[in-house]
Amino acid sequence: GAGVSQSPSNKVTEKGKDVELRCDPISGHTALYWYRQSLGQGLEFLIYFQGNSAPDKSGLPSDRFSAERTGGSVSTLTIQRTQQEDSAVYLCASSLGQGREKLFFGSGTQLSVL
Amino acid sequence: QQQVKQSPQSLIVQKGGISIINCAYENTAFDYFPWYQQFPGKGPALLIAIRPDVSEKKEGRFTISFNKSAKQFSLHIMDSQPGDSATYFCAASKYSGGSNYKLTFGKGTLLTVNP
Repeated sequence: GAGVSQSPSNKVTEKGKDVELRCDPISGHTALYWYRQSLGQGLEFLIYFQGNSAPDKSGLPSDRFSAERTGGSVSTLTIQRTQQEDSAVYLCASSLGQGREKLFFGSGTQLSVL
Repeated sequence: QQQVKQSPQSLIVQKGGISIINCAYENTAFDYFPWYQQFPGKGPALLIAIRPDVSEKKEGRFTISFNKSAKQFSLHIMDSQPGDSATYFCAASKYSGGSNYKLTFGKGTLLTVNP
């Protein structure tokens, strides 16, 4: 595709439910990032995938959060037993994975936990 | 622990004026400093970036000024236009092993340019 695609664009869920957020990176990009954007809190790093290397999970806020990247392409961020404080925009970005370079962001998934 | 501090949180400028957004960092391992621009409903997009071996970089109306000794950098938008109204994020990156250059973002500045 022409850019990073995220789905769904909006997700409303009830507290305690599990949610899955999907990211399709730009074809050929080996690096994939998940960030969380909360009001007034900027962009919070969650997890980073680079090729076949072990992912950098240092930003995941709790063990309720997990992510996987299948076949080096599509990634899914899963939040189990959602809480109201999980409400935020979840942004995915990809890059060529060559170092200090441009990140291409998707438009994000707006998650609302009621 | 906030590694990149950004100010102001919001900024209102008249059309034609100069917009200035400031960032400060603590970690001297940071070696790449980009600015991202985000419009409502969209993801951030790279605007301009600088490395610490230069003190200034200019691209059109946008200039980054970098002060390595003070560990500060700023974005200047000359002749600000209503179309520049957006949220601006500064960021800093450091080598984290392999080809990992993880970006740490500031909290953002909401810029409004009045016509």
